[in-house]
Amino acid sequence: AQSVAQPEDQVNVAEGNPLTVKCTYSVSGNPYLFWYVQYPNRGLQFLLKYITGDNLVKGSYGFEAEFNKSQTSFHLKKPSALVSDSALYFCAVRVRNRDDKIIFGKGTRLHILP
Amino acid sequence: EAQVTQNPRYLITVTGKKLTVTCSQNMNHEYMSWYRQDPGLGLRQIYYSMNVEVTDKGDVPEGYKVSRKEKRNFPLILESPSPNQTSLYFCASSPDTGVNVGTEAFFGQGTRLTVV
Repeated sequence: AQSVAQPEDQVNVAEGNPLTVKCTYSVSGNPYLFWYVQYPNRGLQFLLKYITGDNLVKGSYGFEAEFNKSQTSFHLKKPSALVSDSALYFCAVRVRNRDDKIIFGKGTRLHILP
Repeated sequence: EAQVTQNPRYLITVTGKKLTVTCSQNMNHEYMSWYRQDPGLGLRQIYYSMNVEVTDKGDVPEGYKVSRKEKRNFPLILESPSPNQTSLYFCASSPDTGVNVGTEAFFGQGTRLTVV
């Protein structure tokens, strides 16, 4: 079965430090991988995606993610965290096989400490 | 403005009383889907539609119905709501043809449903 794992429920980082939010996936076929962010009382907003090509993808607000096929991972990173980055982050995968579901991880709450 | 619009934003209802949550998008997207968000469980896909008159079950379809009579609308129907359907619901859309395959989804603002 296809699945997405975000092993950390919460990540705490001091402002100015680098941050990493982890995501691993298990799919059959070539995945489309996404990161979304959710601020309080808001819908999800797209951050970045990997479809094909360069394994390092850059997205909104200074975030980037690295696709690692051998480790089936797609970790979200940022070199220097801001307090405004505090939010709930979701990793998602879409695989177009017989069906065309989109599967989300359980989410990681990121706290940036001033 | 490109957007996905859900209504209502908040709804409190009683067990067994049929309800519909509407979703409309103005971007001419082919793919539309419904999710429920529950603490500790993330987002789980309820149903999705790849185009008009084409709908498929997601991971948690039990107790829900959908229809896709027009490209822009994708209502979520709860024929007989139960308390375990209390949740935050999101509708999303994305383009799904040709070079747009793999394009990210646009989400509505969410509908918080409470079934008592």
